[in-house]
Amino acid sequence: AQTVTQSQPEMSVQEAETVTLSCTYDTSESDYYLFWYKQPPSRQMILVIRQEAYKQQNATENRFSVNFQKAAKSFSLKISDSQLGDAAMYFCAYSANYGGSQGNLIFGKGTKLSVKP
Amino acid sequence: NAGVTQTPKFQVLKTGQSMTLQCAQDMNHEYMSWYRQDPGMGLRLIHYSVGAGITDQGEVPNGYNVSRSTTEDFPLRLLSAAPSQTSVYFCASSRWGGNEKLFFGSGTQLSVL
Repeated sequence: AQTVTQSQPEMSVQEAETVTLSCTYDTSESDYYLFWYKQPPSRQMILVIRQEAYKQQNATENRFSVNFQKAAKSFSLKISDSQLGDAAMYFCAYSANYGGSQGNLIFGKGTKLSVKP
Repeated sequence: NAGVTQTPKFQVLKTGQSMTLQCAQDMNHEYMSWYRQDPGMGLRLIHYSVGAGITDQGEVPNGYNVSRSTTEDFPLRLLSAAPSQTSVYFCASSRWGGNEKLFFGSGTQLSVL
């Protein structure tokens, strides 16, 4: 069974600094998708970034970028120029690309990010 | 454009009671799903649907029932509530599956006493 592991329950970063959140996953599939979702105190789940496994280029979205290492099964999220609004719980998630289950998401347990002014 | 609407936002039940969590989306999405979020556990899939009339079990389906009679609605039924079902429940949808961006509802905080 596929699993997603986030080894850092909590992280802290100074405003305007850079922070990296770690995620590893286990799968025997070769075609899959990886995600980072953000959950601020409002509880709303928001997609931060999506990576397709067959694309070697790392995905980026403004201040958010990933380091995707397929062989190592690692998918870290880098947040540059951290802002107070980045404070949230961040979830790494995996979805296999095959029929039947239509790629249901498997989530990690989350990393709580605090941003210090 | 409302997106994914979940009701109620909060609910308190007594053990053994039944209730239905409502979920509706107005984006014509084929894929809809229910997750529960427990402290330190992340989100776990309860049930999902890939279209009207089609449902299937996720990781933690016991004690829950779903149906999908229309594309828009995907209610989650608790048959006989237990304290172990105290959790935050999220409904999510996408065009056709979890491989795409999921649109989440705002969640339902459920407490079972």
